[in-house]
Amino acid sequence: KQEVTQIPAALSVPEGENLVLNCSFTDSAIYNLQWFRQDPGKGLTSLLLIQSSQREQTSGRLNASLDKSSGRSTLYIAASQPGDSATYLCAVRNSGNTPLVFGKGTRLSVIA
Amino acid sequence: DGGITQSPKYLFRKEGQNVTLSCEQNLNHDAMYWYRQDPGQGLRLIYYSQIVNDFQKGDIAEGYSVSREKKESFPLTVTSAQKNPTAFYLCASRDQRSSYNEQFFGPGTRLTVL
Repeated sequence: KQEVTQIPAALSVPEGENLVLNCSFTDSAIYNLQWFRQDPGKGLTSLLLIQSSQREQTSGRLNASLDKSSGRSTLYIAASQPGDSATYLCAVRNSGNTPLVFGKGTRLSVIA
Repeated sequence: DGGITQSPKYLFRKEGQNVTLSCEQNLNHDAMYWYRQDPGQGLRLIYYSQIVNDFQKGDIAEGYSVSREKKESFPLTVTSAQKNPTAFYLCASRDQRSSYNEQFFGPGTRLTVL
């Protein structure tokens, strides 16, 4: 059974720092991996989706990488801002018809 | 304005009552999902549906029921058999036919049992 782990559970950084959030999964035979952002009391916002055949995806200051063989993905945030403060969730899909399996998230605080 | 809508935003239920949470999407997505979120537990899958008139149980289906009579609608009923229903409920959808098939979420409904 696929399991997704995100470490650390919480992270606090000063504004302007570059940072990396980690996601690991136990079954490397994945279909795709998706990163989400969640603000308190809100729904999830999709940030990036990486297909199993891809190594990375970029959107603005965000870059997500995927290493299937080691069962890892990282979300890199450049020049962090207080507005980046949120919980970031990683989710993995094992095949085209199966539901996403979620990690518990990393709660990020960017201090001005 | 395309997207996923959930209503109501806040819902209060007395013990012993059934309540229904609404989820509607105008994205023409075939697959729809219901998740429950509790503090410290992440998202847990309740039910999902890949086509109209068909749905599958997720990890925590007991005490919940769903229907999928229309492609754009996937209501969730929280029955009196659900012993601890207070939580944040999230609906999601995606286009399974697309090679990209990104999943999108609604704004959520917070259910509180009085």
